[in-house]
Amino acid sequence: NAGVTQTPKFQVLKTGQSMTLQCAQDMNHEYMSWYRQDPGMGLRLIHYSVGAGITDQGEVPNGYNVSRSTTEDFPLRLLSAAPSQTSVYFCASSFSGTATYNEQFFGPGTRLTVL
Amino acid sequence: KQEVTQIPAALSVPEGENLVLNCSFTDSAIYNLQWFRQDPGKGLTSLLLIQSSQREQTSGRLNASLDKSSGRSTLYIAASQPGDSATYLCAAPSGNTGKLIFGQGTTLQVKP
Repeated sequence: NAGVTQTPKFQVLKTGQSMTLQCAQDMNHEYMSWYRQDPGMGLRLIHYSVGAGITDQGEVPNGYNVSRSTTEDFPLRLLSAAPSQTSVYFCASSFSGTATYNEQFFGPGTRLTVL
Repeated sequence: KQEVTQIPAALSVPEGENLVLNCSFTDSAIYNLQWFRQDPGKGLTSLLLIQSSQREQTSGRLNASLDKSSGRSTLYIAASQPGDSATYLCAAPSGNTGKLIFGQGTTLQVKP
């Protein structure tokens, strides 16, 4: 199993540009989520999905869109990039959307710089 | 609302020392707690998941404990090695959901 994969590893955008961060998992996990990691702020939840066709907002959803058309994929879209979105983005997955016996697995991250 | 705290933010120890990393949480109705390791510029690697019904969980030189009544979890690393140098993060779910609340992490340096 490849686990959780993310592409690209690095990306530089100009303010106002849009892009999609890709995330895929091959563990048949129902639950997937996106976090951003910033110095001094730790990891914060952006959006999550408890299954194909179902998404919801996390702690910091503004400026981001998600969709979940398949169990395997959970892309994160930046609609109009802003310097405040410069961060490291991590995708995670787990067997279910409940906490019980639910170990979460993280991808290697995408390092995004917005100029 | 669950809040997770890790103190200290950084720790430096000589090789071979046994050490304990601390994680505190505010909601004792915790379902589980997960410990991660993060190397510089890398993703999070899951180390241990300890369920609310467990008091301890072990993997190799690592042992995690969970005390719900005191709101504390500890990660014990035996016979530390330079390769253990990394940032260690603990995370608890928000209620019975997959949404994780992370601590700020403890950056460990093990000196040869």
